[in-house]
Amino acid sequence: GAVVSQHPSWVICKSGTSVKIECRSLDFQATTMFWYRQFPKQSLMLMATSNEGSKATYEQGVEKDKFLINHASLTLSTLTVTSAHPEDSSFYICSAPPTPSGNTIYFGEGSWLTVV
Amino acid sequence: QKEVEQDPGPLSVPEGAIVSLNCTYSNSAFQYFMWYRQYSRKGPELLMYTYSSGNKEDGRFTAQVDKSSKYISLFIRDSQPSDSATYLCALSTDSWGKLQFGAGTQVVVTP
Repeated sequence: GAVVSQHPSWVICKSGTSVKIECRSLDFQATTMFWYRQFPKQSLMLMATSNEGSKATYEQGVEKDKFLINHASLTLSTLTVTSAHPEDSSFYICSAPPTPSGNTIYFGEGSWLTVV
Repeated sequence: QKEVEQDPGPLSVPEGAIVSLNCTYSNSAFQYFMWYRQYSRKGPELLMYTYSSGNKEDGRFTAQVDKSSKYISLFIRDSQPSDSATYLCALSTDSWGKLQFGAGTQVVVTP
């Protein structure tokens, strides 16, 4: 079945630095991908919709200059957390819409970001 | 008011019992209803996907949707300790995958 691969699974970075998270669709093309964030003991909250070849659409309250999303190809979307701060420490996860032949939304494995 | 309400629990049940989970929602535009299971520090895993009102059964899992009441449920029969996880309801207005999640209910099945 379709698989979404996310990398890295864990990352620790220093405050003020930037970190990039990759989300790849391995055996299908995804013109759209979704990025979610989950703080400890909270639910997944949609951050933005990544669109191949165009600008991402951000949810209300999400800083687009801080969370840079690039969807340069049909199989890769990236989320860059710029000038990270400890409050950005969270679980970030991407998903891809169902393929034309199915109805399953595919999630990546998620990335744990810790900013120290 | 949140669009999707779900009791965070924890919900503790003995092994073999039926686990009953539910969510309520306020937006009548939601048409797709899903239940995900999430183990600690892992991504969510799809358990059930329903589109219309009614019941859907898959093994030990039964999902119910009542659009008129804006209420969805998930039942887990013959619960096992391995079912201990957080269960999230997720709703969508379209089939494209933009999901609105509930808070998640932590379930603990004790041996």
